[in-house]
Amino acid sequence: AQSVTQLDSHVSVSEGTPVLLRCNYSSSYSPSLFWYVQHPNKGLQLLLKYTSAATLVKGINGFEAEFKKSETSFHLTKPSAHMSDAAEYFCVVANFGNEKLTFGTGTRLTIIP
Amino acid sequence: DTGVSQDPRHKITKRGQNVTFRCDPISEHNRLYWYRQTLGQGPEFLTYFQNEAQLEKSRLLSDRFSAERPKGSFSTLEIQRTEQGDSAMYLCASSSPEWRSYEQYFGPGTRLTVT
Repeated sequence: AQSVTQLDSHVSVSEGTPVLLRCNYSSSYSPSLFWYVQHPNKGLQLLLKYTSAATLVKGINGFEAEFKKSETSFHLTKPSAHMSDAAEYFCVVANFGNEKLTFGTGTRLTIIP
Repeated sequence: DTGVSQDPRHKITKRGQNVTFRCDPISEHNRLYWYRQTLGQGPEFLTYFQNEAQLEKSRLLSDRFSAERPKGSFSTLEIQRTEQGDSAMYLCASSSPEWRSYEQYFGPGTRLTVT
């Protein structure tokens, strides 16, 4: 079975400073990995996806993530945080075959003005 | 807007009542998924359709839950004899028929409160 572990349940950063949200995965074969964002009272939005192409993936709103097979990690980064980035972020792995998604427990990102 | 839509957005019901939720996927998407999200947790997979065929059900989906997608378009999720533990956000997602596209588009969810 595939799984993801989000290492921090809550991250706080000051506006304008870098963001790092950490995710480790477990998979018996080459996984497809995603980051989704959920703003309060809004639906889940796909930030970016890795599907065995380039290991450095760029997403929307300046976010990017790097797939590191040797470390089984897929950390999400952004050089400079904005107030609008405050939300819940989910690291997700897709199951081979039916593509059902397995979500991590989420990381709540707080931006300090 | 041609995104995934869900109805109703909120539902309050008394324990023991039946409820039904509807999901309308993006029109060209043949795969449809239901997930459940409880407070402070990530969404959990419930069931999955490819066209009208229900191909997989999670062990989370007890006998009180049933899902249908009769014509391969919209889907309904029914919960019979609701319990307080059923209180959650129910999310629907759809994805393209492109092989291994993986990208799922989510609706806004239906928040169920069982009193």
